[in-house]
Amino acid sequence: QKEVEQNSGPLSVPEGAIASLNCTYSDRGSQSFFWYRQYSGKSPELIMFIYSNGDKEDGRFTAQLNKASQYVSLLIRDSQPSDSATYLCAVKITGANSKLTFGKGITLSVRP
Amino acid sequence: NAGVTQTPKFQVLKTGQSMTLQCTQDMNHNSMYWYRQDPGMGLRLIYYSASEGTTDKGEVPNGYNVSRLNKREFSLRLESAAPSQTSVYFCASSEAPRRTDTQYFGPGTRLTVL
Repeated sequence: QKEVEQNSGPLSVPEGAIASLNCTYSDRGSQSFFWYRQYSGKSPELIMFIYSNGDKEDGRFTAQLNKASQYVSLLIRDSQPSDSATYLCAVKITGANSKLTFGKGITLSVRP
Repeated sequence: NAGVTQTPKFQVLKTGQSMTLQCTQDMNHNSMYWYRQDPGMGLRLIYYSASEGTTDKGEVPNGYNVSRLNKREFSLRLESAAPSQTSVYFCASSEAPRRTDTQYFGPGTRLTVL
């Protein structure tokens, strides 16, 4: 069974700290990895995607992918209270059209 | 450009009633999806349509039917609602099946089945 696992959380960090969100996946055929942010009562919105091993940076966000260890992470630098949300990891498997398998999400709380 | 829109936003049904959730996208996307989201369960795929004229089952299709009416519209029907179908339903769309394809989500429908 294809699984995407995220730490159960919640995760609480002080304002200005680095928040580290982790995700592991079971299918070695996974080819693309997505991080979505979901505010309470709202729909998921894409933060960034990554498909090559290594780091990908976009502003305060850095996605890290390690296919050998089958994990992908999201780092949020200089965390702000506005970053408080649930973060969903999603994985696209080769040959699965554009279907995504989502993790259950982790809730981040940034304390002022 | 409204993106992905869903109707209704809220709905309360009694057990056994039927209803159709509507989804429309104006981004000229080929693929469309229906998900449900339950507390602690994440997003689970109900049905998807890779392109106009095709539909396929996802992870949790039982109790649901779908229709890809045209390229823009993808509807989800509950023929005989059950309390287990109480959930938040999201529609999403994406441009094409490719490695970096991004799914864009509608605002959701909050359904309660009594």
